Amino acid sequence: DAMVIQNPRYQVTQFGKPVTLSCSQTLNHNVMYWYQQKSSQAPKLLFHYYDKDFNNEADTPDNFQSRRPNTSFCFLDIRSPGLGDAAMYLCATSNRAVPLAKNIQYFGAGTRLSVL
Amino acid sequence: RKEVEQDPGPFNVPEGATVAFNCTYSNSASQSFFWYRQDCRKEPKLLMSVYSSGNEDGRFTAQLNRASQYISLLIRDSKLSDSATYLCVVTRLGMRRSGGYQKVTFGTGTKLQVIP
Repeated sequence: DAMVIQNPRYQVTQFGKPVTLSCSQTLNHNVMYWYQQKSSQAPKLLFHYYDKDFNNEADTPDNFQSRRPNTSFCFLDIRSPGLGDAAMYLCATSNRAVPLAKNIQYFGAGTRLSVL
Repeated sequence: RKEVEQDPGPFNVPEGATVAFNCTYSNSASQSFFWYRQDCRKEPKLLMSVYSSGNEDGRFTAQLNRASQYISLLIRDSKLSDSATYLCVVTRLGMRRSGGYQKVTFGTGTKLQVIP
């Protein structure tokens, strides 16, 4: 059974039309991450939550926001999607309570976003 | 210079061959190292953690060389099902005003194609 679930798997939006991607987890992990991955590139960390503590990467555009209403759910909001935002968006979780060497990330299947 | 670098490949090898990938990292404060496997249009999945003394899991062997700042992955007796992109992941403790956090950096991945 999937432990990190992303919805929807495929999302099509129009240029400039806000879109929200969702992620839920059954692992009770305290850390949740959002990555953007474009074709043939490495996943790029956008931000992560440690419990409710939000941590933004310095180069993440303001156009990207996130919410984590509780331990299980985390949302990625793209306020005004541009053509360059078309990508796979990956959610991941980890358990910060374990030693760093064992701090494995568990990924959801991703949401592939297309911008028309 | 990127914090984590990998040869993108592709590495085309015949079934049964042994193949090795390297990954170099630039920050000497890096603490944890992992190899993830990513199949085409799927999410990354943990292949193995990399420990200081090196570790083996079946046909896969991972090594860490802290002095030269690289990790390696060796695959013996390649199978068709090993065809995938192999992502090197490096983590270290990052600092921000709110405190420490785990900074995770992915390499761009090395593509392996095992040929019948």
